[in-house]
Amino acid sequence: QKEVEQNSGPLSVPEGAIASLNCTYSDRGSQSFFWYRQYSGKSPELIMSIYSNGDKEDGRFTAQLNKASQYVSLLIRDSQPSDSATYLCAVNGNNFNKFYFGSGTKLNVKP
Amino acid sequence: SQTIHQWPATLVQPVGSPLSLECTVEGTSNPNLYWYRQAAGRGLQLLFYSVGIGQISSEVPQNLSASRPQDRQFILSSKKLLLSDSGFYLCAWAGTGFGGNTIYFGEGSWLTVV
Repeated sequence: QKEVEQNSGPLSVPEGAIASLNCTYSDRGSQSFFWYRQYSGKSPELIMSIYSNGDKEDGRFTAQLNKASQYVSLLIRDSQPSDSATYLCAVNGNNFNKFYFGSGTKLNVKP
Repeated sequence: SQTIHQWPATLVQPVGSPLSLECTVEGTSNPNLYWYRQAAGRGLQLLFYSVGIGQISSEVPQNLSASRPQDRQFILSSKKLLLSDSGFYLCAWAGTGFGGNTIYFGEGSWLTVV
C-alpha cells in the first residue's frame, strides 16, 4: 500500500468552477499535510499546509483534513486556466523527517 | 530568506558514466536535506534524506549515493549510470522539529541517460 494515494486524473473543470482534489494516506500517525502545485517541467511549489482537523482557507484555496478518515482535500474556487497543473499531496509521517508524496492529480481548467 | 539551488539544470550522460548533482541551501542552518526523483509522469520518490553532516538515510536501494560534506550542501552521485536512472531529480530542504515542518524544492535537474 502506498503511503499517499491520489487519483491521477485528469480532472477537467470549466473556468470559474470549483475544483476538488482528494488524497488519502496510510500512516495514522501523520502530523502535517501539504498541497503542492507542479507545472509541467518545473519543481513543486507549496500551496498550503494543514495540521489540524477541519478547514483552512487561503484566498481561493481551501484545504480540508479529516484524520479519522485519513483524508485530505483541496478545493480551488473560481478556477482559472493558470491553475492547470499537477497537484501533489504530501504527508509528513510519524517520522517527521520524512515527507511522502502522492503521484499527483492533473487538473485542466478549460477557458 | 531561505533559498535552495541545485545544478546542473540539465544533463545528458551515457550509460556507465558517473554522476554528480549538487545542492546548496542558504539562509538557514542545520536543515534536513532531501533528494527525490520523479520519473516521467510519475510521483516523487524519496531517495535519500539527511538530518546532519555525514548523516545519510537511504530509502531505496540502487546505484546512487548521497553525501553531505557541509551543513548546507547535499550531493547525489553515481559511479555508473543506468538507463533507468533517467528522470527529474529534486533537492529539497525542511526545517527541523515537529509541527511547522515544510519542505521546499530546488529548481530540479533533468537527467537523461543514453
